[in-house]
Amino acid sequence: DTGVSQDPRHKITKRGQNVTFRCDPISEHNRLYWYRQTLGQGPEFLTYFQNEAQLEKSRLLSDRFSAERPKGSFSTLEIQRTEQGDSAMYLCASSPQAGLEQYFGPGTRLTVT
Amino acid sequence: RKEVEQDPGPFNVPEGATVAFNCTYSNSASQSFFWYRQDCRKEPKLLMSVYSSGNEDGRFTAQLNRASQYISLLIRDSKLSDSATYLCVVRSSASKIIFGSGTRLSIRP
Repeated sequence: DTGVSQDPRHKITKRGQNVTFRCDPISEHNRLYWYRQTLGQGPEFLTYFQNEAQLEKSRLLSDRFSAERPKGSFSTLEIQRTEQGDSAMYLCASSPQAGLEQYFGPGTRLTVT
Repeated sequence: RKEVEQDPGPFNVPEGATVAFNCTYSNSASQSFFWYRQDCRKEPKLLMSVYSSGNEDGRFTAQLNRASQYISLLIRDSKLSDSATYLCVVRSSASKIIFGSGTRLSIRP
């Protein structure tokens, strides 16, 4: 399968714990995006990488959130000191260049108890 | 006002019917437009891009009206498998990508 992959698919954690998610984009795509989606809403933009450079961060991305893409390939999204409001589906998407379509991974569903 | 607005539905139509959704956007500088389909608890999947001249892909037709700032999706001869949430996406830059909240469509036999 050469699509976008994400790991883990599901994560249940207790409030206050740190979690890290991984995204592997389509190999020739240099742009990578993270989104958060809650029930009944569309995906909300969190952050965007072009190769290894993080070029944009949403104001939704508080200082508890950090994302990296160290070698311009896979990316990680870490949430520190999780809160119940962080419970959501975290989606990763990749794109070959600006203006073209994005391809989404299956998402990581986070539940904070 | 939201930057991208969609009627949440649900639209409940019989198999074989024609159904249309609209999506309005507020940023006149928006450059690219897309429709995505999302099944329950799955990721969004690209359905089609929306071009200025309008475009068709089988039973699906997408149109863009820049003057009135809306895009539309028409589904002809609807199938049970068309039941899903349809997300409108408006892009004004590489990072300024706004999704609508989606329109739920349910096709009944």
